[in-house]
Amino acid sequence: EIVLTQSPGTLSLSPGERATLSCRASQSVTSRSLAWYQHKPGRAPRLLIYGASIRATGIPDRFSGSGSGTDFTLTISRLEPEDFAVYFCQQYDKSPRTSGLGTKVEIK
Amino acid sequence: QVTLRESGPALVKPTQTLKLTCTFSGFSLNTFGMSVNWFRQPPGKALEWLAHIDWEDEKFYSASLKTRLSVSKDTSENQVILTLTNVDPVDTGTYYCTRVRAVDTDMIVDYWGQGMLVTVSS
Repeated sequence: EIVLTQSPGTLSLSPGERATLSCRASQSVTSRSLAWYQHKPGRAPRLLIYGASIRATGIPDRFSGSGSGTDFTLTISRLEPEDFAVYFCQQYDKSPRTSGLGTKVEIK
Repeated sequence: QVTLRESGPALVKPTQTLKLTCTFSGFSLNTFGMSVNWFRQPPGKALEWLAHIDWEDEKFYSASLKTRLSVSKDTSENQVILTLTNVDPVDTGTYYCTRVRAVDTDMIVDYWGQGMLVTVSS
């Protein structure tokens, strides 16, 4: 199965700063079949990006996804207070769907 | 508005059978392209995909859990039921039900439940 490795494990930033999160796959994810989710404690995860770069409905344009093959990136251009959360990637190219362990974006 | 909610026992003894119910609203499992998938997340580990059931009642299971898992649906009640037999402490984790929707040629997990922590312990 495809193993997804996310880095860094924790990102300490201030509101207004730019966040860059990485998701690396153990083998190529074809058709850019990768999604990003935001997860806050006690809440349901929220779909942010699918198809590596397509924003889901209602997601602000400060969130952007890029990458292909084995290297994918989620960028938050200017952190808002509500953006501090855990972000995880998930590939749906090959069965079974697999997810990364997540990157926690915390307030510095 | 799409919502999903997991329910079931929070504590299960080893060797017992775990039955979890996903109650959803805002969509129908009779609709072309719709499915419900289950995931779980053991403490400190990544999410693990468990099972899939779709509008055609096709079912798929994790290869490593196939002999212990079953999934069914009650479309009149908007529910999906996941059953895991012969549980062990390694089955402890947060269990999530999700909606999966066809977008072009992709099947996207677009909505999640809040998750339910299940502990297996004697």
